[in-house]
Amino acid sequence: SQTIHQWPATLVQPVGSPLSLECTVEGTSNPNLYWYRQAAGRGLQLLFYSVGIGQISSEVPQNLSASRPQDRQFILSSKKLLLSDSGFYLCAWSRASGGGTDTQYFGPGTRLTVL
Amino acid sequence: AQRVTQPEKLLSVFKGAPVELKCNYSYSGSPELFWYVQYSRQRLQLLLRHISRESIKGFTADLNKGETSFHLKKPFAQEEDSAMYYCALIGTASKLTFGTGTRLQVTL
Repeated sequence: SQTIHQWPATLVQPVGSPLSLECTVEGTSNPNLYWYRQAAGRGLQLLFYSVGIGQISSEVPQNLSASRPQDRQFILSSKKLLLSDSGFYLCAWSRASGGGTDTQYFGPGTRLTVL
Repeated sequence: AQRVTQPEKLLSVFKGAPVELKCNYSYSGSPELFWYVQYSRQRLQLLLRHISRESIKGFTADLNKGETSFHLKKPFAQEEDSAMYYCALIGTASKLTFGTGTRLQVTL
């Protein structure tokens, strides 16, 4: 069966510090991968998605970047965190069936607080 | 642009009462709509999708293109239904857009 992991579960970082959140998927090959953020009082917002190694699409211009160094690894990064980066970050995967309408499966999330 | 609106942040109902979680969408084409649920201390997971036309845990949702709605309904609420519910839409470029979510609280 497939599983998706995210770490860390919670993170408190000072403004201006770097960020690296990791997401890994097991039990499937060549998944589509996604990073979402949920800010307080707002819905889930798609930040990045990837259909393959090294292929990243950015949905919202911001202070963050994403990378996919391996087939089942997706990393969310920032060089300098802003207060507005605080939120709940979710990684998700779906099967690469084309069309992108397959069910997305979510990780447990990372709660980031920037002070 | 595609948008999903869930007007209620919190919906509180008594056990056994009917539940309707509202979802309206804005999309010019033919959308694919979903309901996701997050129970306390669990991860976000798919509850149902409109193309399946199935009932999951007693919940149903009908796509009404005339009213651009996809409300989630259950005739008799149970305590274990208490959770955060998100309506979502896949539209342009297979992009999944979520609403802001509604917290359902079922009380005795």
